Amino acid sequence: EAQVTQNPRYLITVTGKKLTVTCSQNMNHEYMSWYRQDPGLGLRQIYYSMNVEVTDKGDVPEGYKVSRKEKRNFPLILESPSPNQTSLYFCATASDDVLTQYFGPGTRLTVL
Amino acid sequence: TQLLEQSPQFLSIQEGENLTVYCNSSSVFSSLQWYRQEPGEGPVLLVTVVTGGEVKKLKRLTFQFGDARKDSSLHITAAQPGDTGLYLCAGEWEYGNKLVFGAGTILRVKS
Repeated sequence: EAQVTQNPRYLITVTGKKLTVTCSQNMNHEYMSWYRQDPGLGLRQIYYSMNVEVTDKGDVPEGYKVSRKEKRNFPLILESPSPNQTSLYFCATASDDVLTQYFGPGTRLTVL
Repeated sequence: TQLLEQSPQFLSIQEGENLTVYCNSSSVFSSLQWYRQEPGEGPVLLVTVVTGGEVKKLKRLTFQFGDARKDSSLHITAAQPGDTGLYLCAGEWEYGNKLVFGAGTILRVKS
């Protein structure tokens, strides 16, 4: 079954404690992206990757890092989380048509 | 300021009623998509409209792209409780290969 997997699905942490949210896809898609979703603001792109070892900033990259060492995985790293990073995070993938995106189930992060 | 404004923000209707959700912008988009998102899940693509004036139908859902490619609408006929969810529009930004999302319309259909 084609799917995008995110872990963890829920996370409560404290300010400054480094964390990683993993994203894995089994569709052999080259394009992967991270979004955050906040009430009244919709989905905003954090980072995206067109292929292995190629990553670019989205609209709201501050406070986040990503890596793309292999095609199937695209982890999101928060080196020093802050309360304003409390949000619902989605990973998405796409094949040749990067506009047809498949979203993961989401990770709800709370930073205290 | 949202590049794509969706209205209404929230809609609660009875089963069987019709409704229309709007997605408006002052910018031109190369294409526009509609997604539906259910609680605890990621958005799922419903349709992509590409040509100004284009109308697409998906069962009881009708999607229209404005002639000037600045706006779109989603019309649901005879809404059912299963239509409940968050409806998001997303535009293909003409200056780059990326999507810009609206804030969404929360639809609740009561039985």
